[in-house]
Amino acid sequence: DTEVTQTPKHLVMGMTNKKSLKCEQHMGHRAMYWYKQKAKKPPELMFVYSYEKLSINESVPSRFSPECPNSSLLNLHLHALQPEDSALYLCASSQAGLAGVDEQYFGPGTRLTVT
Amino acid sequence: LAKTTQPISMDSYEGQEVNITCSHNNIATNDYITWYQQFPSQGPRFIIQGYKTKVTNEVASLFIPADRKSSTLSLPRVSLSDTAVYYCLVGKEIYNQGGKLIFGQGTELSVKP
Repeated sequence: DTEVTQTPKHLVMGMTNKKSLKCEQHMGHRAMYWYKQKAKKPPELMFVYSYEKLSINESVPSRFSPECPNSSLLNLHLHALQPEDSALYLCASSQAGLAGVDEQYFGPGTRLTVT
Repeated sequence: LAKTTQPISMDSYEGQEVNITCSHNNIATNDYITWYQQFPSQGPRFIIQGYKTKVTNEVASLFIPADRKSSTLSLPRVSLSDTAVYYCLVGKEIYNQGGKLIFGQGTELSVKP
């Protein structure tokens, strides 16, 4: 199974809502990533968990909160988002967390719209 | 950080060979070069990776000159289904060494019949 699954596929939320995005992989990978992608732009790395250690892109606002319950699951908790946070949120995983070296497997993404 | 530059778009016809070049003038010693393909509303998909010289797999070749300041993705005999955005990614491991991952701006390849 070389698949990364993400739920939901689409999400519409208001600026006062709290929601979560979920990601799952069963390839035994030890690293998982969250990316944000705006239209016609490349993916931007937000967070990485590698061997349960979190690495943060310091430009990511605190209204995004990652959680890694175990090495197969990755959540992104959303709270008090802004309309400019509307984007495609991609989850990826790789073998050992050497993201510049490892092949990353991407999920199909969650299309988020903040109203 | 290794900043990358790619052409914004390219056009080709079915059956032709397509070469997409990525410039990365300040690539670091430990950086690898990776190319991804992305279709609309899908996540990127790994194509090929290299460190130096030439790498070939079943779908593409990657040419890296000795100075490693650029790389060229070569797609032989493209078909309509190769219409996609192609990203050049230069980076190394994220942890401990302060490495960063930066995707290039992407090249939108359009293959025509």
